[in-house]
Amino acid sequence: EVQLLESGGGLVQPGGSLRLSCTASGFMFSNYAMSWVRQAPGKGLEWVSYITGSGGRTYYADSVKGRFTISRDNFKNRLSLQMNSLRAEDTAVYYCAKDRNDYGDSRGLDVWGQGTTVTVSS
Amino acid sequence: SYEVIQPPSVSVSPGQTASITCSGDYLDNRYVCWYQQRPGQSPLLVIYQHYKRPSGIPERFSGSNSGDTATLTISGTQATDEADYYCQAWDSSTGVVFGGGTKLTVL
Repeated sequence: EVQLLESGGGLVQPGGSLRLSCTASGFMFSNYAMSWVRQAPGKGLEWVSYITGSGGRTYYADSVKGRFTISRDNFKNRLSLQMNSLRAEDTAVYYCAKDRNDYGDSRGLDVWGQGTTVTVSS
Repeated sequence: SYEVIQPPSVSVSPGQTASITCSGDYLDNRYVCWYQQRPGQSPLLVIYQHYKRPSGIPERFSGSNSGDTATLTISGTQATDEADYYCQAWDSSTGVVFGGGTKLTVL
């Protein structure tokens, strides 16, 4: 069964850091691009970051550029998101999602994790 | 940065056809997909590359794309289709772009 399992969420103070992980199973992880998508309470989906299958190309939303870093370990089937200088507006459920392919342009996220909650508050 | 716009809400009677639009510059030149998100659940891909359905998605879900507007159509709408729907495109400068979401009410 194709599955994504996020972890690492929690409560952090403004200005703090957090590292999210997503463990993939049931598919050839290195063959697919991956994304992080977040959803603030009561709000819509907001894309955060995208990484190609090899990890050679990454993209970021303007709202997180320079603060967040996406990476992947294809040997451990793991996707990560290092989040620094966190702000209250980063409070959200963070989903990792598998892309349908690895073309360097997302054409659909066909598998999603259950999400991990990040709360930025003092 | 690139944006796609959706209506905040659409209402439909059970058994009727619901249409949800997604507008953006030159949208027909981009791959558009659609997601369904029920309350408390993760999003589910229902349409990709304008009109293709992933395995397991009912045939009543269809997609089209012409000019600056993509449309998700749900034929014979059921109560279980009540959910938030998001369109998504890709822009080489912006990255993944989601619409603001449309709340579909079946009443």
